[in-house]
Amino acid sequence: EIVMTQSPATLSVSPGERATLSCTASQSVSTKLAWYQQKPGQAPRLLIYGASTTATGIPARFSGSGSGTEFTLTISSLQSEDIAVYYCQQYTTWLRTFGQGTKVEIK
Amino acid sequence: EVQLLESGGGLVQPGGSLRLSCAVSGFTFSSHTMGWVRQAPGKGLEWVSAISGSGGDTSYPDSVKGRFTSSRDNSKSTLYLQLNSLRAEDTAIYYCAKAPMGNYYFDYWGQGTLVTVSS
Repeated sequence: EIVMTQSPATLSVSPGERATLSCTASQSVSTKLAWYQQKPGQAPRLLIYGASTTATGIPARFSGSGSGTEFTLTISSLQSEDIAVYYCQQYTTWLRTFGQGTKVEIK
Repeated sequence: EVQLLESGGGLVQPGGSLRLSCAVSGFTFSSHTMGWVRQAPGKGLEWVSAISGSGGDTSYPDSVKGRFTSSRDNSKSTLYLQLNSLRAEDTAIYYCAKAPMGNYYFDYWGQGTLVTVSS
């Protein structure tokens, strides 16, 4: 099983500042990496797939990068509506696994 | 518009069974792999099953293998998850999710159905 580790567990960022979230895979997943946003009381929403491709309707301030085992989700200018938990997921095989999540809060 | 609507959750005793359903619309159901993802109270996401468009291929993590079974009725555009031998740690919101053609991430999710395992 591929283990996905996210850091930090909680990230406090001031409005308008950059937020950088990390995701590390226990073995290479190439670019088979997705990011999801989950707001309180809501279902997850796809943000990024293929490590760097933004999903339909996602604001341009969200971007993804990385390959192999190290990945980053960047929110270029944090807005109040971006307060959520963010999960990475590898999908290199049918045995998909998620990271434990990073909670983004307003400083 | 893609829509996924789960049902069938509820309170069940340990060792009991439950069948979840997910009715979908807005896309060609039989062309897409579907999955179930759960979230225990206050915890993260855990993938629990996937099933190919034809229903001929399924996969599960070790935590539910042998207890959970995913199936689908393409004529009814409905996905199912049979939960057997339920344990307290299976208590969670269960989401059904759609995968894009040829890929294994999930691009659309339902709102979830709550399963509570307790005596």
